[in-house]
This record gives sequence, structure tokens and C-alpha cells, in this order.
Amino acid sequence: DGGITQSPKYLFRKEGQNVTLSCEQNLNHDAMYWYRQDPGQGLRLIYYSQIVNDFQKGDIAEGYSVSREKKESFPLTVTSAQKNPTAFYLCASSAGLRTGVFFGPGTRLTVL
Amino acid sequence: AQSVTQPDIHITVSEGASLELRCNYSYGATPYLFWYVQSPGQGLQLLLKYFSGDTLVQGIKGFEAEFKRSQSSFNLRKPSVHWSDAAEYFCAVITGGGNKLTFGTGTQLKVEL
Repeated sequence: DGGITQSPKYLFRKEGQNVTLSCEQNLNHDAMYWYRQDPGQGLRLIYYSQIVNDFQKGDIAEGYSVSREKKESFPLTVTSAQKNPTAFYLCASSAGLRTGVFFGPGTRLTVL
Repeated sequence: AQSVTQPDIHITVSEGASLELRCNYSYGATPYLFWYVQSPGQGLQLLLKYFSGDTLVQGIKGFEAEFKRSQSSFNLRKPSVHWSDAAEYFCAVITGGGNKLTFGTGTQLKVEL
């Protein structure tokens, strides 16, 4: 089945630790995105990548880092510099925004 | 900056009643607009999209939306709501020179049986 996989579904970390969220897609999409979702704030763009080995900051990139070494993979690292990391993180991909953006099932990160 | 506003945070309707969720956008040119739905703890699913042409757009699950340039609106409608439609609905617009999708804050729909 084609789609976007995010793992794990739930993730717990201690404050001060870096954590990496996985995102894999087999849709052959060039573009990939990371969004953060908090109650009442909708989705906010963290980083996006339109092609392998290239990525751009979104609206709330501080405290996050990404890499795009392979077309199908776009991992997100939540660093200790991120002041409020507890949130629901959604990965998405697209063959072009006009065709629509397709989302993975999300990872809920809780920092204790 | 281009953006979308969803003025209703929560809406409750009875099963079988009609539904309209509001979305207003701010953009100079013709915007590219979308509606997504999210079930609790899940990712988002695309319901429909508008780029140009016919201002009434049909989507999946019996939803439709109408683009009204004069009102800067792109409201989502459904003639008869089912209990399974209870979810959160997001309006979105392409921004950032065509490179980003910006979302509204969402409308939570509750369906009373």
C-alpha cells in the first residue's frame, strides 16, 4: 500500500533530551513537510523539503532540525532547545501543492 | 500575509441536519483553497480543493464547498450530516510563493444523535 508512515505513534522523552521522529513515504513525492499541531492553534509548519538534500525553515523552525538524504525519508529531530516540545507532529508529502498534501498518522510526543 | 480564518471553534448539529463550516481567506490573487478533515488522534484527509473554474466544488463523503470571491469565503457544506462526520475540519490555502500550505485553526464538529 502506498502511503506515509510515522513511527512511533507515541513517544515519551525526558526534558533536555533530543528525539528524532521518523517519516517515510512510498508515494514517490518530491516534497515533504513537518507540521506541529497544538489544541486551538491548527497546524503550524516546522520545515519543508522540495527535493532531496534541500530543505527550508517553516514558520516555527526554532529548536528543530531535519535532513533529507533520501527521497522517501524526512526525519525530524526535536532538540533540547525547543521550549515546549510536547505536541502532535504530522508529516506530509506532496507531488505538488495543487495536487494536495497527504498526511501521515502522526506522532504524539510527550516530554516529561 | 496570506491566511485563512475559521471563525467557529466548535459547532454542534443534529444528525440529518445540514452543515456549513465557515472559512475566510486573505489573499490578493485567486487563492488555492482546501478543506481537510481530521478524526481524533489521526492524520488529515483531503476533502476537496479549489483552484479555478466552477466555484462550487464537490468533494468526498458528500461534502461540497463554494468559493465566493466577493466575500473572500470558501465555506464547506453538507446537506445531511451523519454521526461519523464528527471530527475536526481545517481550511487551508497555498502561501509562501506557492511552496507552503497554511492552515486555519480548525472547527470541531459534534454531531448529536
